[in-house]
Amino acid sequence: DIQMTQSPSAMSASVGDRVTITCRASQGISNYLAWFQQKPGKVPKRLIYAASSLQSGVPSRFSGTGSGTEFTLTISSLQPEDFATYYCLQHNSFPQLTFGGGTKVEIK
Amino acid sequence: EVQLVQSGAEVKKPGESLKISCKGSGYTFTSYWIGWVRQMPGKGLEWMGVIYPGDSDTRYSPSFQGQVTISADKSISTAYLQWSSLKASDTAMYYCARLGGDFLSPDLDYWGQGTLVTVSS
Repeated sequence: DIQMTQSPSAMSASVGDRVTITCRASQGISNYLAWFQQKPGKVPKRLIYAASSLQSGVPSRFSGTGSGTEFTLTISSLQPEDFATYYCLQHNSFPQLTFGGGTKVEIK
Repeated sequence: EVQLVQSGAEVKKPGESLKISCKGSGYTFTSYWIGWVRQMPGKGLEWMGVIYPGDSDTRYSPSFQGQVTISADKSISTAYLQWSSLKASDTAMYYCARLGGDFLSPDLDYWGQGTLVTVSS
C-alpha cells in the first residue's frame, strides 16, 4: 500500500502569509496527486489535480508542484477564506487511493 | 451539471442494518467509477472502495473489505453503501464521489453532500 505523509499536521498563519504544505509518498506516484480543501461542516473541494493543474474556479494564489514522491501545495498570500484543512490524495494505485492525514491551517 | 445527491442522515442502533444511497445526474452514470469516503468525527478522510456502475466491478480498501458492501443500480443511476450489522465505531460522515480525469488512474472530481450516520444505543 502507498502511504501519504502530510506535513505539518497543523499550522498557524496570518493573512497575507505564504503557506506551504508537503505530501510525501512512500513510493513513486508520478503526478497522480490531488489536493483538497475542507472547511468545517463542508464537503471537500478539489483545488489541484495532476499535481499542478488548477481546478477551474480556484484562485490562482493556490499552486501545486511535485512529481514522484514529494509534492507541495502553496498558498501565495493567505486569505481569510483559506483557513481550512487541506488533504492530499494519491490515485496512482487506483483503485486503492490514499489520503494524507490532513493539514489544519489556523489563524495566528 | 454533474451532481451527486446522497440520502439523508441516519440514526441507528448497534446491530441494525443500513443502506445509504448516492444518485448521480448530469453525466453518463455507467461510464465513471463511484467511490466512498469515510470521515469519522474530528478525523481525516479515509478511502473505502469503489464501484463501476457499468458492470458493477467493485473494489474495496483492505481496511473496509468485509465490513461494508458497495453496490449500484444503473437503471436509476444510484450507488449504495450498506452495513449488515452496525457498530458504534461506524458513526461518521460518508461521502460518495465520482472518479474522473485520467482513464487508468482517476481521482475524485465531484462529491456528494455527505450522509451522517450515527450509531448509538
